[in-house]
Amino acid sequence: AQSVTQLGSHVSVSEGALVLLRCNYSSSVPPYLFWYVQYPNQGLQLLLKYTSAATLVKGINGFEAEFKKSETSFHLTKPSAHMSDAAEYFCAVSESGGATNKLIFGTGTLLAVQP
Amino acid sequence: GAGVSQTPSNKVTEKGKYVELRCDPISGHTALYWYRQSLGQGPEFLIYFQGTGAADDSGLPNDRFFAVRPEGSVSTLKIQRTERGDSAVYLCASSLMRESGEQYFGPGTRLTVT
Repeated sequence: AQSVTQLGSHVSVSEGALVLLRCNYSSSVPPYLFWYVQYPNQGLQLLLKYTSAATLVKGINGFEAEFKKSETSFHLTKPSAHMSDAAEYFCAVSESGGATNKLIFGTGTLLAVQP
Repeated sequence: GAGVSQTPSNKVTEKGKYVELRCDPISGHTALYWYRQSLGQGPEFLIYFQGTGAADDSGLPNDRFFAVRPEGSVSTLKIQRTERGDSAVYLCASSLMRESGEQYFGPGTRLTVT
């Protein structure tokens, strides 16, 4: 069975500081991995995805994530936080070659950006 | 272009009542998913449609939950005899290419059972 663990339900950074949101996955087959962002009262928006091509994936809004198979991790980073980055971030996994492509989500990390 | 839309945005109902939640996917998307997001949790998979058929309903919590997609476009999630534990945000997503895994989410329907 697949699962995702997001360490840190709340992360607070100062504007301009590095953002690091952690995600570890468990999967018995090569996974597809995703980061979604959810702004208040809005739907989930895809930030980036890993589908077995380059291990360093660049997404929207300056975010990137690196797939590390040896560590079963897919941490999300951004060099310099903006106030507009304040939102909830979800890591998700699906099974490559699976029958449904359903997403298994972590419990989310709420990012606060302090001025 | 238009994204995934869901109606109503909010629904308050009494325990024991029946509710229907509607999802309009992006035009041309053959795959449609329903998820449920409880407070403080990530979304949890409920059901997946490929075209008109439910290809995977393993996430439906019990037989009070049912979903249809009769023409392969709009989908309706139906909940009978609602319980307070059903209170959550119900999210719909659609996808053009199943294998890519890129699902586009609607804004959700917030269901409150009193």
